[in-house]
Amino acid sequence: GDSVTQMEGPVTLSEEAFLTINCTYTATGYPSLFWYVQYPGEGLQLLLKATKADDKGSNKGFEATYRKETTSFHLEKGSVQVSDSAVYFCALQGSSYKLIFGSGTRLLVRP
Amino acid sequence: SAVISQKPSRDICQRGTSLTIQCQVDSQVTMMFWYRQQPGQSLTLIATANQGSEATYESGFVIDKFPISRPNLTFSTLTVSNMSPEDSSIYLCSVEGTDIAKNIQYFGAGTRLSVL
Repeated sequence: GDSVTQMEGPVTLSEEAFLTINCTYTATGYPSLFWYVQYPGEGLQLLLKATKADDKGSNKGFEATYRKETTSFHLEKGSVQVSDSAVYFCALQGSSYKLIFGSGTRLLVRP
Repeated sequence: SAVISQKPSRDICQRGTSLTIQCQVDSQVTMMFWYRQQPGQSLTLIATANQGSEATYESGFVIDKFPISRPNLTFSTLTVSNMSPEDSSIYLCSVEGTDIAKNIQYFGAGTRLSVL
């Protein structure tokens, strides 16, 4: 069945460092791909999405490109801030409405 | 995007009791979803609730344990029945967006449940 694999955390960075969180997926057909963020004590917020190959989703300085050839959707940010500390979830939505989530990656940004 | 309110935001319950979680949306939506997030884990879909029909449960979840109501297009409840400590989790409600936001799911802030 469909699945999402994320790099394990926690990822600890200094402020202004470059961030990459790897995400790969397995799915039949052409899924939509998402990144959600969960700040401490809160629910999930949609960060960005891409619905077809080579689409780039972007929001708040974060970017991710839908790479069908490598079945990947890696999250990147050029310069992280302390306020970016959160748990990041990669997810896919296949032919049904169901969202399949990765295990989540905790990001800790130090001043 | 939809604004989703969940109540209660957190609760501490005794084993053997039941808790009903409410989810209110600020607009009419067709599909509502209930997820469980166990401590340090990812999200797992419990069931999908469509107005006017029985909820559809995922493998490993049953109606007797997690009864769901969906009386109208803006409201749903999830009950966690006969609780045990293993039910300690965050329970999240989500809805599918409409129009240009279709196929995007929006989440409530969650209900943090601790069972003693």
